[in-house]
Amino acid sequence: EVQLVQSGAEVKKPGESLKISCKGSGYTFTSQWIAWVRQMPGKGLEWMGIIYPGDSDTRYSPSFQGQVTISADKSISTAYLQWSSLKASDTAMYYCARLDSNYVSGHYYYALDVWGQGTTVTVSS
Amino acid sequence: EIVLTQSPGTLSVSPGERATLSCRASQSVSSSNLAWSQQKSGQAPRLLIYGVSRRATGIPDRFSGSGSGTDFTLTISRLEPEDFAVYYCQHYGSSRGTFGQGTKVEIK
Repeated sequence: EVQLVQSGAEVKKPGESLKISCKGSGYTFTSQWIAWVRQMPGKGLEWMGIIYPGDSDTRYSPSFQGQVTISADKSISTAYLQWSSLKASDTAMYYCARLDSNYVSGHYYYALDVWGQGTTVTVSS
Repeated sequence: EIVLTQSPGTLSVSPGERATLSCRASQSVSSSNLAWSQQKSGQAPRLLIYGVSRRATGIPDRFSGSGSGTDFTLTISRLEPEDFAVYYCQHYGSSRGTFGQGTKVEIK
């Protein structure tokens, strides 16, 4: 079974650093992009960026460039999302998801097909 | 950057009725990369449709997708109690993704 398992909920103070994780299993972790998605309380989904664990090629959404760092350790099939200095506005649920590239009838189809359970990050003084 | 606009924001439907959700892109997009996901309260999103009209594994055939260019539709033919949720369209292209703001399907 393909799974993404995320690390547990975090409660932090403004200015603190944080690194959350997403461990993949049941597929070749190095061969599929992993996306990070933010969902602020009561709001919709926001695309943060993606990483290709095979070579750590990383692409950020302009809104999140410079605000977070996405990384991966392919030896343990784990992707990470980290902050160097948290703000209250970082309070949200964070999801990782696999960006599947499905080759069917001569076409590649891309979609987020498997999601982690989410990690709640609360930043409060 | 592609912007996806979903309508309506909220759709009130009775169980057994049909629901039609719309997703409009700010520019023409590749149909291969347009998907729909469902999110129930307190849960992670779940992929329903990819490539505009292809159902993901295990998705019942009451869910169908259509469209091309800038206008896309998700149709739920007969709403079951478990279908009341928020639905997002999503596009991936040029190493970037974007989501619509979501349509909440609620019980009428």
